[in-house]
Amino acid sequence: QKEVEQNSGPLSVPEGAIASLNCTYSDRVSQSFFWYRQYSGKSPELIMSIYSNGDKEDGRFTAQLNKASQYVSLLIRDSQPSDSATYLCAVNDQAGTALIFGKGTTLSVSS
Amino acid sequence: DVKVTQSSRYLVKRTGEKVFLECVQDMDHENMFWYRQDPGLGLRLIYFSYDVKMKEKGDIPEGYSVSREKKERFSLILESASTNQTSMYLCASSLGGTSNQPQHFGDGTRLSIL
Repeated sequence: QKEVEQNSGPLSVPEGAIASLNCTYSDRVSQSFFWYRQYSGKSPELIMSIYSNGDKEDGRFTAQLNKASQYVSLLIRDSQPSDSATYLCAVNDQAGTALIFGKGTTLSVSS
Repeated sequence: DVKVTQSSRYLVKRTGEKVFLECVQDMDHENMFWYRQDPGLGLRLIYFSYDVKMKEKGDIPEGYSVSREKKERFSLILESASTNQTSMYLCASSLGGTSNQPQHFGDGTRLSIL
């Protein structure tokens, strides 16, 4: 059974701090990794894609991938109350068409 | 920008009814997906399609069917709606070829079965 695991949270950080969200996956052959943000009552919105080991930065967001350890993380610098949402980690499945989603980590940023 | 449009944001139906949920994408994507999302259970894949008239079962296909007669449109059908199908339904699409392409979601349909 292919799995993507995330800590459900809630993860609480003060405004301006760095939020660190983690995800582990079970399928060693996975090659594509995505982070989605989902506000309450809304649909998931893609915020980051990463395919190679190392870091990928986009504004305040940094995705980190370590295929050997089978984990992917998302760092949010200078966290804002508007970052409060559930963050979903997604990994491609072995067949290559569908994605496997984690259940998400809820982030709460307090002002 | 990719646009995935679901026909209804909110829908209320009665048990036993046949329910149609429609999804249209405007980016010529080969792949389309239907999920349901429930508190504590996350996103669960119902069906997906990688080409016109092609469909594959996901993790929870029971009680559902799908139709893809045109590339841009993917319909989810609840053959005989039941109260345990009350949920948020999300449609997504992605480019074909490999799964290196991310999925893009519609706004969702919150379906209530009474």
